[in-house]
Amino acid sequence: NAGVTQTPKFQVLKTGQSMTLQCAQDMNHEYMSWYRQDPGMGLRLIHYSVGAGITDQGEVPNGYNVSRSTTEDFPLRLLSAAPSQTSVYFCASSYSRGGGETQYFGPGTRLLVL
Amino acid sequence: DQQVKQNSPSLSVQEGRISILNCDYTNSMFDYFLWYKKYPAEGPTFLISISSIKDKNEDGRFTVFLNKSAKHLSLHIVPSQPGDSAVYFCAARIVGDDKIIFGKGTRLHILP
Repeated sequence: NAGVTQTPKFQVLKTGQSMTLQCAQDMNHEYMSWYRQDPGMGLRLIHYSVGAGITDQGEVPNGYNVSRSTTEDFPLRLLSAAPSQTSVYFCASSYSRGGGETQYFGPGTRLLVL
Repeated sequence: DQQVKQNSPSLSVQEGRISILNCDYTNSMFDYFLWYKKYPAEGPTFLISISSIKDKNEDGRFTVFLNKSAKHLSLHIVPSQPGDSAVYFCAARIVGDDKIIFGKGTRLHILP
């Protein structure tokens, strides 16, 4: 049981490049979400999904796309990276909606956009 | 517009003493509040929660108090231990909503 895994751990991009941050969970959780953490800003919700085929926007969705084709995977796509997207990205999954004691976070992906 | 506010970026407490971390919120529709703990280079982990129908929830050394009239909650850690040094996030959820709103976090330093 690996929990929530994220790849890569660290990535450097040039402005305008695209990439996909991978997130997978093996707990059969329906609810998954992506957050970004910036200094002095806490955790901000980017996108979330309540089940395969269902996604919705969070607080800061601009510049990011998501899809949920399987229960296990929830990739986050940056179509054209910008320096403002330099951040640490956390994926989370939970058994119930709204997180809480059933919510587990991945170890994070640190992204630097030059 | 920040709905969940942690106004103290950092806090230092002597080992063995009580740590009190504060959180204020503005949205009266929040009905469920959570605290998460985060170590460097790791994802946050759930610590303790409280429903709006309660004013206190206790789990071992951790107690969360909720004052709805003041829109304020606090996390008490007694006694504080070196392993408690971490960033603590306060978070809140609207009933029936799928989103959790986080505060900016408070970095707790436990001094030997």
